[in-house]
Amino acid sequence: QKEVEQNSGPLSVPEGAIASLNCTYSDRGSQSFFWYRQYSGKSPELIMFIYSNGDKEDGRFTAQLNKASQYVSLLIRDSQPSDSATYLCAATNNDMRFGAGTRLTVKP
Amino acid sequence: EPEVTQTPSHQVTQMGQEVILRCVPISNHLYFYWYRQILGQKVEFLVSFYNNEISEKSEIFDDQFSVERPDGSNFTLKIRSTKLEDSAMYFCASSEQAGHYEQYFGPGTRLTVT
Repeated sequence: QKEVEQNSGPLSVPEGAIASLNCTYSDRGSQSFFWYRQYSGKSPELIMFIYSNGDKEDGRFTAQLNKASQYVSLLIRDSQPSDSATYLCAATNNDMRFGAGTRLTVKP
Repeated sequence: EPEVTQTPSHQVTQMGQEVILRCVPISNHLYFYWYRQILGQKVEFLVSFYNNEISEKSEIFDDQFSVERPDGSNFTLKIRSTKLEDSAMYFCASSEQAGHYEQYFGPGTRLTVT
């Protein structure tokens, strides 16, 4: 079974803090990893993707990948109330498998 | 900015009926996908499509489902003989290539089977 696991949360952080979201995957053949944000009742919105070990930064977001540990994370710096959403981790190996998502709440 | 569009936004159908969900992928994208999300559950991969053929399909995508690219812009998902458990959000996505390429999602079609 190719599984992607995430803590369901909820994760609550104060405005301006760093939010850390984690994800593990079971399929060692996974090639690329994606972070999507999903607001309630809406479709997933791509935040960023990563496929090489290490860090990848895009504005307030940093994705980290450790293939040896089969671990992906997303850091959100200077969290804003508008970042409050469910964050979905996904891994691809021919198909794309999603985790159940972590609900993040940023409190003003 | 180019985006994936889907119609209808909400479809209500009776059990046993056939439905067709429509998608217009981003114009220069070559790979197309369907996903579903049952309320409160994770997004599940159904099928990927490239060069007028199915590339991959999940265990969910059985004989009840079919996909088609009837013309140069539309990509459809047909669900035959709908069941109550087919009620879900169905998302279409597209990407330029497979693998290390982002998939962009459409707004979804909410299918309600009564």
